[in-house]
Amino acid sequence: EVQLVESGGGLVQPGGSLRLSCVVSGFTFSSYWMHWVRQAPGEGLVWVSRTSTDGSSTNYADSVKGRFTISRDNAKNTLYLQMNSLTAEDTAIYYCVRGRNSGLDVWGQGTTVTVSS
Amino acid sequence: DIQMTQSPSSLSAFVGDRVTITCRASQSVSSFLNWFQQKPGKAPKLLIYTASSLQTGVPSGFSGSGSGTDFTLTISSLQPEDFATYYCQQTYSAPFTFGPGTKVDIK
Repeated sequence: EVQLVESGGGLVQPGGSLRLSCVVSGFTFSSYWMHWVRQAPGEGLVWVSRTSTDGSSTNYADSVKGRFTISRDNAKNTLYLQMNSLTAEDTAIYYCVRGRNSGLDVWGQGTTVTVSS
Repeated sequence: DIQMTQSPSSLSAFVGDRVTITCRASQSVSSFLNWFQQKPGKAPKLLIYTASSLQTGVPSGFSGSGSGTDFTLTISSLQPEDFATYYCQQTYSAPFTFGPGTKVDIK
């Protein structure tokens, strides 16, 4: 069974940092581009970032560029999102998503990040 | 960045109704347009990819069409389990922007 399990969310103060992890199973992780998508409370979906299969190519939303870093460890079947200089606007559920030419086809259940003092 | 819009933002419909949701891109995305369904408290689910291809396991009552800048998602006969929020997303050019969503609820 294909699974993506996020962790690392929690409460952090403004200006703080957090690292999210996503452990995958049930497919060959190293063969897929991977994405992070977030959703603020009561709001729509926002694409955050993606990484190529080997991590050599990355893209970011303008709102997180320079603050967030996506990375992966193919030996550990794990995707990461390092988030720095967090603000209240970063409060959201963060989803780890598998990417294919056929779209973002498998989603984790999400991990919640709350930025508040 | 490519901006995505959807219309309507919400709609009310009866079970059995035919429902059409429109998505428009600010510039051509070719056929790199996907549709997702999201129910409250759940992760989104891919319904349609590359504008018109039905994702495995998705009921045939869902269909997508369009190319370039204008796209539609059609539900041929609305079922009780179809009441949800629907999002389009372009994967033509990063950042891969989503539309604002269309909430479909029971009339």
